Amino acid sequence: GAVVSQHPSRVICKSGTSVKIECRSLDFQATTMFWYRQFPKKSLMLMATSNEGSKATYEQGVEKDKFLINHASLTLSTLTVTSAHPEDSSFYICSARDVSGRSSYEQYFGPGTRLTVT
Amino acid sequence: AQKVTQAQTEISVVEKEDVTLDCVYETRDTTYYLFWYKQPPSGELVFLIRRNSFDEQNEISGRYSWNFQKSTSSFNFTITASQVVDSAVYFCALSDTGRRALTFGSGTRLQVQP
Repeated sequence: GAVVSQHPSRVICKSGTSVKIECRSLDFQATTMFWYRQFPKKSLMLMATSNEGSKATYEQGVEKDKFLINHASLTLSTLTVTSAHPEDSSFYICSARDVSGRSSYEQYFGPGTRLTVT
Repeated sequence: AQKVTQAQTEISVVEKEDVTLDCVYETRDTTYYLFWYKQPPSGELVFLIRRNSFDEQNEISGRYSWNFQKSTSSFNFTITASQVVDSAVYFCALSDTGRRALTFGSGTRLQVQP
């Protein structure tokens, strides 16, 4: 089956530093990837849609200058949390759409990245 | 705008009991997809089912069954003979046929006691 990986799985960083999270589709190409954020014991909220070769589309209320998204290839999207603060601590999950035609509506989720900002 | 409501925040049952998790959705789209995911303590989302809006047939997969009723905009999930391993947070989600991003419900935490 289709596999999406995320790296790192856990990261602890100091306030003011930047953190990059990678989302990779391992066995399929993904022109579209999504980034979600989940606060403890809360639901997943869509942050942005990452499109290969173009700018990401951010949801209302998400600061695009703080959460930089780059989708440079058909298998990789990165989310960079810039100048991280404790309130950015969260679980970040990506998903990727398989557009190979076998099931264009299938979306596969990565295992998530737990970010803790101290 | 799309919306998914899971009114049950937390449910606790004893092993072997049947349990139903409710999901009600709102959308203006005529074509859409509904999903259920399981999120164990590890955090990884486990895909359970996808149903498109044109397919109202109920589905059974082992101890799991789903009841989709378009008339009441509901997509309920039943676990028969629950087991401790079923303990997790369960999310119902909705997507359109365009961008396909998911709108999640708030989740239902299921605790199955031995």
